[in-house]
Amino acid sequence: AQSVTQLGSHVSVSEGALVLLRCNYSSSVPPYLFWYVQYPNQGLQLLLKYTTGATLVKGINGFEAEFKKSETSFHLTKPSAHMSDAAEYFCAVSDSYNQGGKLIFGQGTELSVKP
Amino acid sequence: DGGITQSPKYLFRKEGQNVTLSCEQNLNHDAMYWYRQDPGQGLRLIYYSQIVNDFQKGDIAEGYSVSREKKESFPLTVTSAQKNPTAFYLCASSISSWADTQYFGPGTRLTVL
Repeated sequence: AQSVTQLGSHVSVSEGALVLLRCNYSSSVPPYLFWYVQYPNQGLQLLLKYTTGATLVKGINGFEAEFKKSETSFHLTKPSAHMSDAAEYFCAVSDSYNQGGKLIFGQGTELSVKP
Repeated sequence: DGGITQSPKYLFRKEGQNVTLSCEQNLNHDAMYWYRQDPGQGLRLIYYSQIVNDFQKGDIAEGYSVSREKKESFPLTVTSAQKNPTAFYLCASSISSWADTQYFGPGTRLTVL
């Protein structure tokens, strides 16, 4: 069965430091992978997604993620954290062979940015 | 502006009452979804609909019901059979299939008193 694991429910970084949020998935077929961001009491906003092609995906707000099939990972990075990046981040996976391509979410990682 | 609206933002209900959460989209999307969000558990799929007049149960459909009479609307009813309904409910839509990006509404926070 598909699953998504986000390592670390809380991550804290200093402003200007590297942001690294980890996501590992399990899927029996090539997956579609997504990162979403959620600000308090709001809906989710798509940061980036991987379907096929180039494994390094660039998204909004300076974020990017790399699909590594051998490691079944899709970690999210940003070179320099900004205070406005403080939010909860969700990794999600979908593939067409699992109940019509159901979207499975990880548990989320809350990012704090210290001044 | 195109988007997804959910109303109300906050909802309170007494135990034993049914309550309906509204979700409307003007993106001309065929597929719509309802998720439940609880702290530390990510999002769990309640129901989804890929076309008007058709919908399927997700992972946690017990105690919930939906309808899809119009392409733009996908209301969710939380019934008295739902044992622990207090949660944040999110509606989403996508062009057609699961491979498409899902766009989310702002959510409704339901509290059972």
